[in-house]
Amino acid sequence: KQEVTQIPAALSVPEGENLVLNCSFTDSAIYNLQWFRQDPGKGLTSLLLIQSSQREQTSGRLNASLDKSSGRSTLYIAASQPGDSATYLCAAFSGSRLTFGEGTQLTVNP
Amino acid sequence: EAQVTQNPRYLITVTGKKLTVTCSQNMNHEYMSWYRQDPGLGLRQIYYSMNVEVTDKGDVPEGYKVSRKEKRNFPLILESPSPNQTSLYFCASRDYNEQFFGPGTRLTVL
Repeated sequence: KQEVTQIPAALSVPEGENLVLNCSFTDSAIYNLQWFRQDPGKGLTSLLLIQSSQREQTSGRLNASLDKSSGRSTLYIAASQPGDSATYLCAAFSGSRLTFGEGTQLTVNP
Repeated sequence: EAQVTQNPRYLITVTGKKLTVTCSQNMNHEYMSWYRQDPGLGLRQIYYSMNVEVTDKGDVPEGYKVSRKEKRNFPLILESPSPNQTSLYFCASRDYNEQFFGPGTRLTVL
């Protein structure tokens, strides 16, 4: 059974700092990995999707990498802003199931 | 606009009173699923459907039913709700690659 872990559970940084969020998964036979953002009490917004054959994806200040062999993905946020404050979730798709980590709660302080 | 819609967005009910949460998608996706999100437990899959009339249990199916009579709709049914089903519920649909989420339904069972 796939298990997804995210570290750290919470992170607080000053505005402008570059930061990395980590995601690990136990079953490397994934089809793809997706990063989401969730604001308090709100739905999930897809940020980046990395196919199993890809190593990374970029969107604006966000860069996600995938290393299937080690069962790891990272989300890099450059020049963080207070508007980036949210919970970030990674999810691994394998078989017919999407398995989520518990998320990293990010706070960017002005 | 491509989207997943859920109704109602908020619901307060009492133990034992049957309820249905509707979910609809306009992207012609074959795959749809339901999740619940609870503090400390993350997002957990309740049921999923690979196509019309094809449904299967996720990780936490007890106390829930689903049906998939049409491709666009995937309602979640709670025949006899209990307080431990108080949660934030998300419907999602999936294309070949990416999962799209509805805005969520916050359910409180008293």
